[in-house]
Amino acid sequence: AQKVTQAQTEISVVEKEDVTLDCVYETRDTTYYLFWYKQPPSGELVFLIRRNSFDEQNEISGRYSWNFQKSTSSFNFTITASQVVDSAVYFCALSERNTDKLIFGTGTRLQVFP
Amino acid sequence: DAGVIQSPRHEVTEMGQEVTLRCKPISGHNSLFWYRQTMMRGLELLIYFNNNVPIDDSGMPEDRFSAKMPNASFSTLKIQPSEPRDSAVYFCASSLEGAGTDTQYFGPGTRLTVL
Repeated sequence: AQKVTQAQTEISVVEKEDVTLDCVYETRDTTYYLFWYKQPPSGELVFLIRRNSFDEQNEISGRYSWNFQKSTSSFNFTITASQVVDSAVYFCALSERNTDKLIFGTGTRLQVFP
Repeated sequence: DAGVIQSPRHEVTEMGQEVTLRCKPISGHNSLFWYRQTMMRGLELLIYFNNNVPIDDSGMPEDRFSAKMPNASFSTLKIQPSEPRDSAVYFCASSLEGAGTDTQYFGPGTRLTVL
């Protein structure tokens, strides 16, 4: 069965610190997709990244980077030099080709203080 | 390009009233999803349409909830009669293809309060 675990409920950092948000997933499918979404205080859900199960290359986008490791079933998200605007709830999600559903983790609330 | 559009953004109603939430997906997207977000249960998929046809409605809480997609550019989620426990943020999302393969893009949500 599909499952996404975000063990960190809340993280607080001071601006300019690096922070890593953990995501561990469970799936029996060999073809699946992993996602990260950001939900700022305004409430909308913003798509950040999609990664398929066959592509384990790490990805960097500005201050954001993602580390996908199939060996540990993890898809962690790092924000470098955090800023106050990064304060939000971040959701990791998993979809399997066979089930046609997107399963979300419970989210990690990140607070970045000035 | 316009993203997913939802209306209203906020709805306050009294218990027993009918509530209709509206969604316009991204043009050209074939799949549409309705989610509900609460503190207790997080993000839950309510129903999923592909090419205007309901594919999976197993997440719809009970008969008080119904959803329609009369055409490719419009969907409604109706609650009749509404109850206080229906208070939540309701999101609509769309994707180019099905949920298992493609990215879902979310609307801004409708915050529903049932008094």
